Amino acid sequence: GAVVSQHPSRVICKSGTSVKIECRSLDFQATTMFWYRQFPKQSLMLMATSNEGSKATYEQGVEKDKFLINHASLTLSTLTVTSAHPEDSSFYICSARIGTSQFFGPGTRLTVL
Amino acid sequence: GENVEQHPSTLSVQEGDSAVIKCTYSDSASNYFPWYKQELGKRPQLIIDIRSNVGEKKDQRIAVTLNKTAKHFSLHITETQPEDSAVYFCAARGGADGLTFGKGTHLIIQP
Repeated sequence: GAVVSQHPSRVICKSGTSVKIECRSLDFQATTMFWYRQFPKQSLMLMATSNEGSKATYEQGVEKDKFLINHASLTLSTLTVTSAHPEDSSFYICSARIGTSQFFGPGTRLTVL
Repeated sequence: GENVEQHPSTLSVQEGDSAVIKCTYSDSASNYFPWYKQELGKRPQLIIDIRSNVGEKKDQRIAVTLNKTAKHFSLHITETQPEDSAVYFCAARGGADGLTFGKGTHLIIQP
């Protein structure tokens, strides 16, 4: 399958700070990437759809001003968690599409103290 | 929007036996149904998928069936092995949207 990378794999930050997570498609171009969030022992919840060169589409209940998404190139999408709070602590996973299949990055474990 | 229900939440089977996980979806426009395997702390891995124009697909010990009329699809794993132990997620998608996932099934293979 296709290779999707994420950076960082793990981040710990203080409450009120902002954290940027990068998602890269390594061996293909992705016009569309997706960001998911997964709380412990729960399923993956779609947060937003990231479209290269245009604004992201957010799912209901996801604050676009808190979770900033930028998809400036065909291989890179970034998610910035602004003014992070402890309740934002979670596993954030991106994915990219090839055809109808989606391939996931390794995820970023965010812990907000 | 789409709603995906998955059962059971936990499934324990003896090594060598078969395991079946079932999912239902609500949006008749959904046309793509993948299954993912996720080990603790790791990314979901695509193990098999099926499109709405196909009723069944098989890949070695893994098979997926789809009933569009009833809006349900199932994952079948035969000759289970210890390395099959993981959490399995079904998902559904229509058009260019992201995936809607089921709540997951924790599959335990008893030696």
